[in-house]
Amino acid sequence: EAEVAQSPRYKITEKSQAVAFWCDPISGHATLYWYRQILGQGPELLVQFQDESVVDDSQLPKDRFSAERLKGVDSTLKIQPAELGDSAMYLCASSLSSGRRYNEQFFGPGTRLTVL
Amino acid sequence: GENVEQHPSTLSVQEGDSAVIKCTYSDSASNYFPWYKQELGKGPQLIIDIRSNVGEKKDQRIAVTLNKTAKHFSLHITETQPEDSAVYFCAARGDKIIFGKGTRLHILP
Repeated sequence: EAEVAQSPRYKITEKSQAVAFWCDPISGHATLYWYRQILGQGPELLVQFQDESVVDDSQLPKDRFSAERLKGVDSTLKIQPAELGDSAMYLCASSLSSGRRYNEQFFGPGTRLTVL
Repeated sequence: GENVEQHPSTLSVQEGDSAVIKCTYSDSASNYFPWYKQELGKGPQLIIDIRSNVGEKKDQRIAVTLNKTAKHFSLHITETQPEDSAVYFCAARGDKIIFGKGTRLHILP
């Protein structure tokens, strides 16, 4: 069964360092999402891609976060510099397409980031 | 901004009993309402969803109801089993998908 792949699964870093997370969506899925999930909370959308284009990054802290999906397949989310408040689970999800259609999002296992 | 309220935050039920989780949403343009189950160390997994033109949907032991007028939807799990223990999230999608804060469900033996 096809799955969304994420790496690393766990990352510990010190504040002010740079970190990067990678996501490989299910083959053929045009839409890719990055979410942040703080412990005890629901996922919060950071950025949404349709193919290689960003369609929503309104909740992305652009002073320190960046995301790219250069070839419209896999994606990288970067934080530079990391802050203590960035400690969270970073989830990637993909779906066949976006818009107002009812497309199921498939989530990866996430990357748990701890900033010391 | 738009939000989704989910209650309760924690729920303990005896094995075999039913569990009900309730959500309300604020965006009247929301038209799709998925429910996710998240087990420890894993990403959320879709367990059931409902569209705005349907009032109720059932899949074996799981059912979801939607009241668009009240902007309220609920998840019902019957005949609960130990493997139902997890965190459950509701969500509402209009222009974007917004998740509730989750309900930690404990099934007591």
